Amino acid sequence: GDSVTQMEGPVTLSEEAFLTINCTYTATGYPSLFWYVQYPGEGLQLLLKATKADDKGSNKGFEATYRKETTSFHLEKGSVQVSDSAVYFCALSDRGILTGGGNKLTFGTGTQLKVEL
Amino acid sequence: DAGVTQSPTHLIKTRGQHVTLRCSPISGHKSVSWYQQVLGQGPQFIFQYYEKEERGRGNFPDRFSARQFPNYSSELNVNALLLGDSALYLCASSLAVGTGELFFGEGSRLTVL
Repeated sequence: GDSVTQMEGPVTLSEEAFLTINCTYTATGYPSLFWYVQYPGEGLQLLLKATKADDKGSNKGFEATYRKETTSFHLEKGSVQVSDSAVYFCALSDRGILTGGGNKLTFGTGTQLKVEL
Repeated sequence: DAGVTQSPTHLIKTRGQHVTLRCSPISGHKSVSWYQQVLGQGPQFIFQYYEKEERGRGNFPDRFSARQFPNYSSELNVNALLLGDSALYLCASSLAVGTGELFFGEGSRLTVL
């Protein structure tokens, strides 16, 4: 079945450091890929998405590129802030958005990011 | 605008009891999905409903059931609770099936003693 593997946390960085959170996936067909973020005390929020190979999703300074050849969707940010401290989840949808399939998301286990001054 | 609202936010039950969790989607959203998030893990898909019909079911036992009402709100029911059912139950809504973008509530935290 479908699965998502992401690096274990916590990841602790100093403010303005470069961030990479690795994510790889296993899926049949052509999934859509997502990064969701969970800030302390809040619900999960969609951070960015990509629907096909070589697409780059971006939002709030975060970027991730859909790499079909390496089945990866690594999250990056050039300069993190304390306010980025949260748990980040990589996820895939078992049917591509464009095919009008279901919303079932398969999530990774999450990576906690802590940014310190 | 109100986001996805869930109730109750916290509850404690004992083994063998039954629980009903409720969810109100964002206004205009017709699809509701339910996820279980065990501490330290990612959310696991339980159900998806669209226009009051079940559109997907995850790998959960028949003790778990759900339904969607004409106003698009939803209930998740769990019978014969086990200790392992202790988790955060998340409801998510979306405009339609297949958009890929889910809006999550803050969840209902269930503790089974």
